[in-house]
Amino acid sequence: GQNIDQPTEMTATEGAIVQINCTYQTSGFNGLFWYQQHAGEAPTFLSYNVLDGLEEKGRFSSFLSRSKGYSYLLLKELQMKDSASYLCAVEALTGGGNKLTFGTGTQLKVEL
Amino acid sequence: NAGVTQTPKFRVLKTGQSMTLLCAQDMNHEYMYWYRQDPGMGLRLIHYSVGEGTTAKGEVPDGYNVSRLKKQNFLLGLESAAPSQTSVYFCASTRDRVYNEQFFGPGTRLTVL
Repeated sequence: GQNIDQPTEMTATEGAIVQINCTYQTSGFNGLFWYQQHAGEAPTFLSYNVLDGLEEKGRFSSFLSRSKGYSYLLLKELQMKDSASYLCAVEALTGGGNKLTFGTGTQLKVEL
Repeated sequence: NAGVTQTPKFRVLKTGQSMTLLCAQDMNHEYMYWYRQDPGMGLRLIHYSVGEGTTAKGEVPDGYNVSRLKKQNFLLGLESAAPSQTSVYFCASTRDRVYNEQFFGPGTRLTVL
């Protein structure tokens, strides 16, 4: 089975840096995704980590440690539009193909 | 490209009524998925399809049926709706099993009274 944990809520200040953590326990781990979801909208892809280390993409970076079952999403130079839910999703290999299991999401509020 | 589209966007049903949610994608993706999203529960997989004519059960399949008669379409059916099926339903697709970035539709908000 899969178990994914991430904080329910976080608050940060505009212009600051915030780190959203995700821990997981899974069999057949193949990779980890981060998605952003604004209220009332569909999730949109942010990043994908397969190997250990940091992947940087503009203001967003994502880190993975497979041995520790740990990932984080780092958001720099926070903007008000970054207020959203951030979903950690673990990809696992199964007989029926690769499947994603989503965490419950971290609601980030960016304040002035 | 429209990407992934879903119809309808909103629907209110009475307990026991049936309905079908339609998902369409124009990206020639092989894999398609139906999720439901409830507060505090995250996205949960209902059913999925790895190709035209194939379907499989996900994490919460009870009370739902699906069909994938055409590669671009994935239908989710509720034969006898229950209040517990009140949720936001998202369809998603992926290119293949090698790279699993999922593209999501805009969602269908369903209320069962």
